[in-house]
Amino acid sequence: AQKVTQAQTEISVVEKEDVTLDCVYETRDTTYYLFWYKQPPSGELVFLIRRNSFDEQNEISGRYSWNFQKSTSSFNFTITASQVVDSAVYFCALTVSYSGAGSYQLTFGKGTKLSVIP
Amino acid sequence: DAGVIQSPRHEVTEMGQEVTLRCKPISGHDYLFWYRQTMMRGLELLIYFNNNVPIDDSGMPEDRFSAKMPNASFSTLKIQPSEPRDSAVYFCASSFEGTKQYFGPGTRLTVT
Repeated sequence: AQKVTQAQTEISVVEKEDVTLDCVYETRDTTYYLFWYKQPPSGELVFLIRRNSFDEQNEISGRYSWNFQKSTSSFNFTITASQVVDSAVYFCALTVSYSGAGSYQLTFGKGTKLSVIP
Repeated sequence: DAGVIQSPRHEVTEMGQEVTLRCKPISGHDYLFWYRQTMMRGLELLIYFNNNVPIDDSGMPEDRFSAKMPNASFSTLKIQPSEPRDSAVYFCASSFEGTKQYFGPGTRLTVT
């Protein structure tokens, strides 16, 4: 079974501060995908990034960066110079890929609510 | 291209009534997923389809819930009879080959 833990339930930062959202996952499978989704107050789920288990390179996209470390089973998300528009709930998720059968169930963490204060 | 479309966006119904939620996936996607989001349980997968065939419905809470996908462009999630504890936001998502899922805007269901 898969499990995703987001230990931080809520985080508040002042605008322009950097913030890191933690994600720890558990799986016995060697092939898997990790995701981050953003859920703003409007409620929709917005895809941010997908990372497969064979690619441990960190990724940067504008103010967003992701640190994937298989040794610690972590996939942390950092927002640099946070803005009020970053206020949302952020979900980390995991899916495994079984050869042939294609089991793609997303297992979500409980989410971290980020509030960016002006 | 249009994203995943869900209807209705909001549904308020009385306990015991039948509720039908609808989803139109992104054209060309071969996987369709139904999720439920509640404060207590977070986001949980209810059922998913591959090429219109239900693959795993182990997340469906009980027999009151049923889902169908009669064709590649339409799916329904039905609750009959509805109960107050079914109140939640129901998301539909679709993907091509399973991994990257695109979510619809959700249907907020309130059962009184």
